[in-house]
Amino acid sequence: GAVVSQHPSRVICKSGTSVKIECRSLDFQATTMFWYRQFPKKSLMLMATSNEGSKATYEQGVEKDKFLINHASLTLSTLTVTSAHPEDSSFYICSARDGNIANYGYTFGSGTRLTVV
Amino acid sequence: GDSVTQMEGPVTLSEEAFLTINCTYTATGYPSLFWYVQYPGEGLQLLLKATKADDKGSNKGFEATYRKETTSFHLEKGSVQVSDSAVYFCALSDKQGAQKLVFGQGTRLTINP
Repeated sequence: GAVVSQHPSRVICKSGTSVKIECRSLDFQATTMFWYRQFPKKSLMLMATSNEGSKATYEQGVEKDKFLINHASLTLSTLTVTSAHPEDSSFYICSARDGNIANYGYTFGSGTRLTVV
Repeated sequence: GDSVTQMEGPVTLSEEAFLTINCTYTATGYPSLFWYVQYPGEGLQLLLKATKADDKGSNKGFEATYRKETTSFHLEKGSVQVSDSAVYFCALSDKQGAQKLVFGQGTRLTINP
């Protein structure tokens, strides 16, 4: 089945630094990927939709200059949290449409827990 | 816009108890409906889905039926196990456009032996 690899699984960074999270589709091409953020004991909030070869579409209230998304190839999307602050600490998850219409497939990565100290 | 509402948790049950987690939705069209499960420290896994009215999704003993008349997609299991302890998310996806997933707030389920 479709597999999405997300890396790193955990990262601790100092306040003011930038962190890059990678999301790769391993056995299929993903023209569209999604980035979510999950606050403790809360639901997943969609941050942005990433389309290969074009600019990402951000949800209302998400700072595009802070959360930089790049989808340069059909198998890789990256989320960079710039100038991270403690309030950016969260669980970030990516997902990809695997193109299997019959399955209505959304395949998720295993998530990245970001802690900003 | 589209939205999903789940029953609030946490839910705590004894092993072999009957489980129901309620989910209702609001959507302008006829969305596809999903239940996802998140085990501790892991990402989301698709548990089951239904793409049209009266469809029943099922997997690992869990079931949910797409009820258009009540705009609901309640999750049920006849006999839960300790290993079912996780957070469960109901979600919908519009079949048109970007087909984004919209999630409910999640329900934390704990099963005691």
